[in-house]
Amino acid sequence: QQQVKQSPQSLIVQKGGISIINCAYENTAFDYFPWYQQFPGKGPALLIAIRPDVSEKKEGRFTISFNKSAKQFSLHIMDSQPGDSATYFCAAFTMRFGAGTRLTVKP
Amino acid sequence: ETGVTQTPRHLVMGMTNKKSLKCEQHLGHNAMYWYKQSAKKPLELMFVYNFKEQTENNSVPSRFSPECPNSSHLFLHLHTLQPEDSALYLCASSPDGRIPVLNFGNGTRLTVT
Repeated sequence: QQQVKQSPQSLIVQKGGISIINCAYENTAFDYFPWYQQFPGKGPALLIAIRPDVSEKKEGRFTISFNKSAKQFSLHIMDSQPGDSATYFCAAFTMRFGAGTRLTVKP
Repeated sequence: ETGVTQTPRHLVMGMTNKKSLKCEQHLGHNAMYWYKQSAKKPLELMFVYNFKEQTENNSVPSRFSPECPNSSHLFLHLHTLQPEDSALYLCASSPDGRIPVLNFGNGTRLTVT
């Protein structure tokens, strides 16, 4: 069963724009919500993560917003750059991943 | 480098062959994982080892056989595979099974002919 539902499947953003990727989870026992970034030919790499005791975490241009009551969390990429073009995965504590979002940032 | 090394990077095998994928981590982690990544499916968790003990097997067909001789090494033995098994096989490690921070290798691209 898919424990983490991610959307959209693909996203095209202009350089300098904001990219937003959403995830919804089912199991309220989850207490750690990471995002991974994967470039072609590479394995996923941890990008940023949040615990449910905070509603937002920011690292540089990347921000996670967490809505515990809605059981949703999202990744915001500010001032998106062509180098951000990759596939992004949300994950749940049980090491299961969302379906992935292929982000393309156009120059 | 991620600290997790997978070999080979590419593998082509026939359906009657037997081959093995190797994963080695240099991070001092105690948990290791096998994932399958197909073109149109989410990352699928296959097996989990924590302190060398298998703690999870997600209904993986028996033609995939994992082996974890120590906390630094993980193998995936393959035999009589099917074309639909063609995928990228990713190995990952974490400090232990309770800490969900995964370090992935760059995977083995497997093609079954």
